[in-house]
Amino acid sequence: DQQVKQNSPSLSVQEGRISILNCDYTNSMFDYFLWYKKYPAEGPTFLISISSIKDKNEDGRFTVFLNKSAKHLSLHIVPSQPGDSAVYFCAASSYSGGAQKLVFGQGTRLTINP
Amino acid sequence: AAGVIQSPRHLIKEKRETATLKCYPIPRHDTVYWYQQGPGQDPQFLISFYEKMQSDKGSIPDRFSAQQFSDYHSELNMSSLELGDSALYFCASSQTGGLENIQYFGAGTRLSVL
Repeated sequence: DQQVKQNSPSLSVQEGRISILNCDYTNSMFDYFLWYKKYPAEGPTFLISISSIKDKNEDGRFTVFLNKSAKHLSLHIVPSQPGDSAVYFCAASSYSGGAQKLVFGQGTRLTINP
Repeated sequence: AAGVIQSPRHLIKEKRETATLKCYPIPRHDTVYWYQQGPGQDPQFLISFYEKMQSDKGSIPDRFSAQQFSDYHSELNMSSLELGDSALYFCASSQTGGLENIQYFGAGTRLSVL
């Protein structure tokens, strides 16, 4: 039962253009959504998050949009740069037993072409 | 800035052996999480500790145990290793009290069971 889904295993975008990564979830109890970026042989690196009570959060080139009615969120990267090439994980957070547990999507491999 | 430290980075064991993975959280972080990422899969939550007490449990086999010590570092003990335990094991830490409880990940320990 995959509660967080990233249906695109890979995405290829030209440098300078916009990258849009999508994520769907099923559990309406999630209270925070986070995006992590992962390079090979490294741990996931936190990028940006959004509370379930908001619909947009922006940080530099990165913007996350949340559509609660559709249970869908997206990460926009503009302009895309070669260093953005990595695997991006969408994660959803729920509070349980005193700690926030993360549920991850399967990841999307983003490739930025020069 | 100090990050989450995991050791060892790589570990090779044989079936039925035991393994101990260590995690040193970011200073002043009081919560530690363990995740397992199999080949081509998303990270799966195993267990978490808040203030040295187990706070949540995920899909952790009974052969595995973990604890958090007085200095907040954590150890994941794995016994009777099986081939299917070969995976990347990530530790993450967070500081409760913040709205988002963002989890920061270590670089991971790659366990290979032969």
